[in-house]
Amino acid sequence: DGGITQSPKYLFRKEGQNVTLSCEQNLNHDAMYWYRQDPGQGLRLIYYSQIVNDFQKGDIAEGYSVSREKKESFPLTVTSAQKNPTAFYLCASRRQGASYTEAFFGQGTRLTVV
Amino acid sequence: DQQVKQNSPSLSVQEGRISILNCDYTNSMFDYFLWYKKYPAEGPTFLISISSIKDKNEDGRFTVFLNKSAKHLSLHIVPSQPGDSAVYFCAASARDFGNEKLTFGTGTRLTIIP
Repeated sequence: DGGITQSPKYLFRKEGQNVTLSCEQNLNHDAMYWYRQDPGQGLRLIYYSQIVNDFQKGDIAEGYSVSREKKESFPLTVTSAQKNPTAFYLCASRRQGASYTEAFFGQGTRLTVV
Repeated sequence: DQQVKQNSPSLSVQEGRISILNCDYTNSMFDYFLWYKKYPAEGPTFLISISSIKDKNEDGRFTVFLNKSAKHLSLHIVPSQPGDSAVYFCAASARDFGNEKLTFGTGTRLTIIP
């Protein structure tokens, strides 16, 4: 059963701590994306990756880091440098090719800083 | 700089009538457009897409129209059903040196009134 899995669903972090959000896909997709959703601001792109060992900053990359060591996995680390980390985080993947396709999303991780 | 804009944060429509959701974009490099539906605390699900070489794409109750000269697209849902109540996001894609960036709008909350 193919899909994209984010874990955990809920995550609490103390101020000053780094935390890593997991994203795994078994769709054999090349491209993966991380978005953040805040009320009234839609989905804002944090990082994206088209291929293993390569990734690009999105529109709001400051305070975040990613890695892409395997095609299936694209973990996002929220560092202590991120000033407002409380948000709903969404991971997506997409097949890459000559023509565009839709992106598939995970169920999201809600991060709360306490 | 919001490259994809949904200027109506909310829309209410009577059940059975047509729902029209609008989206404007500023980047002329966008050449593929998508609509997603999202429920609270879940990931978005893909609805319909359109390539920039077309001006209309239809799938069941959903039709997307693209006006490239106006940099405007719209999603028509007819007839509207109670299950259509959700937040709708438009998204746009462009290739930038082989990287496929996917940019979302801020969303429109659609409420179908029984």
